[in-house]
Amino acid sequence: AQKVTQAQTEISVVEKEDVTLDCVYETRDTTYYLFWYKQPPSGELVFLIRRNSFDEQNEISGRYSWNFQKSTSSFNFTITASQVVDSAVYFCALSEAEAGNNRKLIWGLGTSLAVNP
Amino acid sequence: DAGITQSPRHKVTETGTPVTLRCHQTENHRYMYWYRQDPGHGLRLIHYSYGVKDTDKGEVSDGYSVSRSKTEDFLLTLESATSSQTSVYFCAISERLAGGAGELFFGEGSRLTVL
Repeated sequence: AQKVTQAQTEISVVEKEDVTLDCVYETRDTTYYLFWYKQPPSGELVFLIRRNSFDEQNEISGRYSWNFQKSTSSFNFTITASQVVDSAVYFCALSEAEAGNNRKLIWGLGTSLAVNP
Repeated sequence: DAGITQSPRHKVTETGTPVTLRCHQTENHRYMYWYRQDPGHGLRLIHYSYGVKDTDKGEVSDGYSVSRSKTEDFLLTLESATSSQTSVYFCAISERLAGGAGELFFGEGSRLTVL
């Protein structure tokens, strides 16, 4: 079965700590895409990053970095020097092919991150 | 920010009444989606549209119908609301199906309470 597992339901850190959010996926596809979304307390969902299955290069964007490892089917997200504004629920998602030209988006259940001052 | 607006943002209704949620986009994206978000279930796809008058079911479509008469508008209707449909509903748009190689842009969400 195709699925996305975010094993950490809730994480609580103190400001300035580094924190890693784990995402493990299962797929039979060779071509797939991975995503991270952020849902702050205000409720809207915000796209953070997309990765395709052929690009294992790690990505860094400011304090955010992503580690994609096909060997372990993981796409982990690290926040360096966390800030209170990073408090949110973070979702990992997998897009893979269905029959025909359709693609299916599979969501993890999210990790709730609380960054305390 | 992607131009997506949902209305109403909050609604309280009674069991058995019909409810319509509206999603309006100004991005001219082909694909539009309705999701519901519930604790312990994450995001679940209700219906999606791949063009005007072209729609298909998602994983939790029972009790819901949709319509798309214009590119910019995607309506979600609860034909006879039940308490199990109390949820936060999100509209999303994308240039490619199910995100594909592209990302989803979400509306602000509509909180529906069915008493």
